Amino acid sequence: DGGITQSPKYLFRKEGQNVTLSCEQNLNHDAMYWYRQDPGQGLRLIYYSQIVNDFQKGDIAEGYSVSREKKESFPLTVTSAQKNPTAFYLCASSFASGVYNEQFFGPGTRLTVL
Amino acid sequence: AQKITQTQPGMFVQEKEAVTLDCTYDTSDPSYGLFWYKQPSSGEMIFLIYQGSYDQQNATEGRYSLNFQKARKSANLVISASQLGDSAMYFCAMREFLNSGSSNTGKLIFGQGTTLQVKP
Repeated sequence: DGGITQSPKYLFRKEGQNVTLSCEQNLNHDAMYWYRQDPGQGLRLIYYSQIVNDFQKGDIAEGYSVSREKKESFPLTVTSAQKNPTAFYLCASSFASGVYNEQFFGPGTRLTVL
Repeated sequence: AQKITQTQPGMFVQEKEAVTLDCTYDTSDPSYGLFWYKQPSSGEMIFLIYQGSYDQQNATEGRYSLNFQKARKSANLVISASQLGDSAMYFCAMREFLNSGSSNTGKLIFGQGTTLQVKP
């Protein structure tokens, strides 16, 4: 089955620690995205990547880092510089080109800082 | 400035009735796409329906239809014959093709969402 997987589903972190959230897709999509969602709020874009070895900052990139070494994978690292990292993180992917560009989402990772 | 506005934080609807969720948007880009997503309590985002700015007809997908009024910059989602499983949060999102700096970024801008509860 094609889709997007994210792991772990729940993640607990102590203050001052870096953590990495995994995102893998087997949809052969070129573009991948990371969003952050706070309770009762919409999604905000953290980083996105249209091709391997290239990525751009979104609206709230401070305190986060990403890599795109493989087409299928787009891991997100939440660094200790992120002041308020407790949130729900969603990864998405899509075909990069085309007028119609539906994004497919993974099941999300809920990060809690203790 | 808010690019996507969803003015209804919460809505109730009786099972089997129709409901309209409001969405207004703001863009100067002549080419854009509008999306609706459903987010159940599990957290996953489920794509429902898409409307392109040049589409002449309103989009429909099963029980979902989009009331697209371009001059008013509104893209309301209509759910007909509501079911208990429709209870969820609903997000309106927009993708601009030119203002994003590249026609292929695929970047989506989301509204704050509307929580819909279907009563039995």
